[in-house]
Amino acid sequence: AQSVTQLGSHVSVSEGALVLLRCNYSSSVPPYLFWYVQYPNQGLQLLLKYTSAATLVKGINGFEAEFKKSETSFHLTKPSAHMSDAAEYFCAVSVKDSSYKLIFGSGTRLLVRP
Amino acid sequence: DVKVTQSSRYLVKRTGEKVFLECVQDMDHENMFWYRQDPGLGLRLIYFSYDVKMKEKGDIPEGYSVSREKKERFSLILESASTNQTSMYLCASSPAGTGSYNEQFFGPGTRLTVL
Repeated sequence: AQSVTQLGSHVSVSEGALVLLRCNYSSSVPPYLFWYVQYPNQGLQLLLKYTSAATLVKGINGFEAEFKKSETSFHLTKPSAHMSDAAEYFCAVSVKDSSYKLIFGSGTRLLVRP
Repeated sequence: DVKVTQSSRYLVKRTGEKVFLECVQDMDHENMFWYRQDPGLGLRLIYFSYDVKMKEKGDIPEGYSVSREKKERFSLILESASTNQTSMYLCASSPAGTGSYNEQFFGPGTRLTVL
């Protein structure tokens, strides 16, 4: 069965510092992987997705993630945090069957200190 | 611009009331989903539908039912609301076919409080 683990329910960084949000997945077959962002009192918005075309994936708002098969990881990074990046971030893995389901991690709340 | 809309952003109901949460998408998507979101638990799938009048249980279907009479609309029903159903409810849709990679598009959410 596929699963997703996000390490750290809360991550706090200073404005301008590197953002690193961790995601590890478990899958018996090559997965599709996603990062979504949720701003306060809003729905989820897609940041980026890995679909096996390239291991380094660039998304919106300066975020990127690297798929590492050997580490079963898909960590999200941004070189320089901005106050507007404060939000909750979810990693998800696609279930490759007819159900079209996504399996979500428990989320990481990013706090950006001025 | 693609859109998933939910009928209410905030809803307050009393224990025992029947509650309807409505979701509409304008992308002609085949698949629609209902999740609930609670702090520390992430998103948990309640029900999903891959076609009109078709539905499948997700991970936490107890206390909920769904209806999909038209392709664009997917309703979540709480037959008799209870306080433990106080939560944020998120609707999502996705197109059929492997080319979509199962990406889902989300509505803004409905924050339901049951008193």
